[in-house]
Amino acid sequence: NAGVTQTPKFRVLKTGQSMTLLCAQDMNHEYMYWYRQDPGMGLRLIHYSVGEGTTAKGEVPDGYNVSRLKKQNFLLGLESAAPSQTSVYFCASSSNPNNEQFFGPGTRLTVL
Amino acid sequence: AQSVTQPDIHITVSEGASLELRCNYSYGATPYLFWYVQSPGQGLQLLLKYFSGDTLVQGIKGFEAEFKRSQSSFNLRKPSVHWSDAAEYFCAVGAGWDMRFGAGTRLTVKP
Repeated sequence: NAGVTQTPKFRVLKTGQSMTLLCAQDMNHEYMYWYRQDPGMGLRLIHYSVGEGTTAKGEVPDGYNVSRLKKQNFLLGLESAAPSQTSVYFCASSSNPNNEQFFGPGTRLTVL
Repeated sequence: AQSVTQPDIHITVSEGASLELRCNYSYGATPYLFWYVQSPGQGLQLLLKYFSGDTLVQGIKGFEAEFKRSQSSFNLRKPSVHWSDAAEYFCAVGAGWDMRFGAGTRLTVKP
């Protein structure tokens, strides 16, 4: 089992560029999450999904969009990147919303 | 509003010494409580969790945590720290989608 994987591991963007982060899990989990981690602020939930075809906003959704076309994949999109979106992005999945979340290794994004 | 506070940003302990990492929370109902560990360049890994029942919970790698409802605390402890425990530790509190993470405590272990 690979668990939760994220692609890419690192990315540098210029302001205004767009990109998509891919998260994949092989544990057949219904629930998936995207977080951002910033120094001194812990993890903050961007968007989450309760199943294929469903998504919802988390604590800090502005500037991001997500899609869950397949149960195993959860995509995070930045349509027009801003320097404030420089962060480390983590994807996670769980079998139910109150259970342990399994995290991917993260994507370090820098927006210049 | 829900919040999680980890008062210690950075803690240094000697190898073999005991460890306590503090976590305080504010939450409307009785939440689910978690401790995660993050090694450099890695994702978070669950150490232990508390849902209900015995307020002292055991986790992996010799860690334990105690839930104290009256103090709204869920402190993490280990009796004897190993050099491999050097990492960042996150307390998480919540229910359902509303999971809040603390800012983390970085642990340095001196030889």
